[in-house]
Amino acid sequence: QSALTQPPSASGSPGQSVTISCTGTSSDVGAYNYVSWYQQHPGKAPKLLIYEVNKRPSGVPDRFSGSKSGNTASLTVFGLQTEDEADYYCNSFAGSNNLGVFGGGTKLTVL
Amino acid sequence: EVQLVESGGGLVQPGGALRLSCAASGFSISESWMTWVRQAPGKGLEWVANIKKDGSVKKYVDSVRGRFTISRDNAKNLVFLQMNSLRAEDTALYYCARDLGWNRVDYWGQGTLVIVSS
Repeated sequence: QSALTQPPSASGSPGQSVTISCTGTSSDVGAYNYVSWYQQHPGKAPKLLIYEVNKRPSGVPDRFSGSKSGNTASLTVFGLQTEDEADYYCNSFAGSNNLGVFGGGTKLTVL
Repeated sequence: EVQLVESGGGLVQPGGALRLSCAASGFSISESWMTWVRQAPGKGLEWVANIKKDGSVKKYVDSVRGRFTISRDNAKNLVFLQMNSLRAEDTALYYCARDLGWNRVDYWGQGTLVIVSS
């Protein structure tokens, strides 16, 4: 399976919004509504932010929003805060015979 | 409180073997797929292997298939990753995690570091 494509970096000022894209294929992102997003701070384990394209686990602020169109999923962070500075990874289900596939990660900088 | 604690990492020579363990607490692993994800130094996440609730289905990334074996002991709430024929490119922090299905990985351990070097 090939990795999903994410921009290596993104940035925004506090209070602004930023969107991170995640492009796959018709065999993964485009085929299933099972895209998840993870946030990872330096030296920490990843944390689940979004699952099934746009659902948030309990405790995740509603500033984090997921969407999908065709083969591309997106994570939007509204009202950026300094603690949002982290690496973000998307992941997609790729069929019952395959492992999921991650994106290469996007480093979000809050200026 | 759900906790996952990995152990078994270390320094090993190319061609060597290691067995990673993951001890779960706060939930019964028999109710969940379990997975191993690795992260090479300074790199992104890579799904390594996962295993169905009853152990009947196991999936591997192409680069480890035939060398790594994932297993579980539901009675002891343990998950394992047997790694054989290790290569330099297997050097990474290995995370154990709970997969609620459809790649919804909601709990992660802190990872155990594997270094393959002569």
